[in-house]
Amino acid sequence: GENVEQHPSTLSVQEGDSAVIKCTYSDSASNYFPWYKQELGKGPQLIIDIRSNVGEKKDQRIAVTLNKTAKHFSLHITETQPEDSAVYFCAASPSDYKLSFGAGTTVTVRA
Amino acid sequence: GAVVSQHPSRVICKSGTSVKIECRSLDFQATTMFWYRQFPKQSLMLMATSNEGSKATYEQGVEKDKFLINHASLTLSTLTVTSAHPEDSSFYICSARFTGREPQHFGDGTRLSIL
Repeated sequence: GENVEQHPSTLSVQEGDSAVIKCTYSDSASNYFPWYKQELGKGPQLIIDIRSNVGEKKDQRIAVTLNKTAKHFSLHITETQPEDSAVYFCAASPSDYKLSFGAGTTVTVRA
Repeated sequence: GAVVSQHPSRVICKSGTSVKIECRSLDFQATTMFWYRQFPKQSLMLMATSNEGSKATYEQGVEKDKFLINHASLTLSTLTVTSAHPEDSSFYICSARFTGREPQHFGDGTRLSIL
């Protein structure tokens, strides 16, 4: 099955700086890569997703890049704000069906 | 945007009790719903996948007689934890998807504590 590795496990950034989270996947058939943000006591919320026919996608301060050859994808958050503090999960799916999640990254934005 | 409602948000009950958790898609018809389990500071682990009108598909290691899933309509799926024990205490989260091309939308989870 699919195996997704996510790094780093924790990330502390100064407000206004950028945050980058990286994930790798093992199944070359994976073609859908969503990113979720989970706040304490809540369910994950989709923040951005990308499909394998696209190399990059941007939505305001959030961007995701995908390198199919290397089987890795990254989340970039620019101009971080305190409300960006949360746990972020990457995921991969070979069939738009089941998601395999990374272990999560706890992001702390220091004011 | 799409909304998935999960109820109850918190359950505390005695060992041996059966607990039912509901997952509803509020503004779309969910052809597929998923149930996950999350332990503290860990990732989401898929327990089972259910399609409306058919039996759920359970992941390896998940006891289907322990975790009963019913997806009787396009807007409602239920997870029943039967004869719950302290080791079943966890955060249970459902998600729903409209079609194969749509992302999964998650509920806010149910914190289950078995005493």
